[in-house]
Amino acid sequence: DQQVKQNSPSLSVQEGRISILNCDYTNSMFDYFLWYKKYPAEGPTFLISISSIKDKNEDGRFTVFLNKSAKHLSLHIVPSQPGDSAVYFCAASRNSGNTPLVFGKGTRLSVIA
Amino acid sequence: KAGVTQTPRYLIKTRGQQVTLSCSPISGHRSVSWYQQTPGQGLQFLFEYFSETQRNKGNFPGRFSGRQFSNSRSEMNVSTLELGDSALYLCASSLEGRNYGYTFGSGTRLTVV
Repeated sequence: DQQVKQNSPSLSVQEGRISILNCDYTNSMFDYFLWYKKYPAEGPTFLISISSIKDKNEDGRFTVFLNKSAKHLSLHIVPSQPGDSAVYFCAASRNSGNTPLVFGKGTRLSVIA
Repeated sequence: KAGVTQTPRYLIKTRGQQVTLSCSPISGHRSVSWYQQTPGQGLQFLFEYFSETQRNKGNFPGRFSGRQFSNSRSEMNVSTLELGDSALYLCASSLEGRNYGYTFGSGTRLTVV
């Protein structure tokens, strides 16, 4: 039972445009959400997070939006750069981040120059 | 400061053998978690150790086990290897176990033939 779903395995975006990566979850007990970026042959690196008490969190070019009623979150990257090309994982946790992360299967983002 | 170090980086084993993977966390980090990444399933939680005690365990068979030493270094062991155990095994460490503080290592790529 996939509790965190990333339904788009891949996404291609032109450099300078907006990248939108989507994530859906089924467990209403999740209250903390994170995005990780992963390059080949490296471990995932933390990108941005959001608590369920917020609906938006911004960090530079990266913004995460949370829609609790729809159990949906999205990561916006503006403007997209070639170095953003990587696999992006959405993850969720309960108890304010104190339980193991549940990951989606990832979305491969390709930013084309 | 040094990151999370996983050894070995690559490993090839024969079906039926056993394997031990090692993880050295960031200095001062007391929590170590292990994840398995496969192309079809994304990242799946194996177990978490905090101060030498297993705090959480994922839904994996008993062939998968782990431990943590007093210096916070952790090992995971897989016995009676199966072809389906071929995966990237990732270790993550954090100070207190909160997932937003996780730093991942580069992983050990295990191939079972």
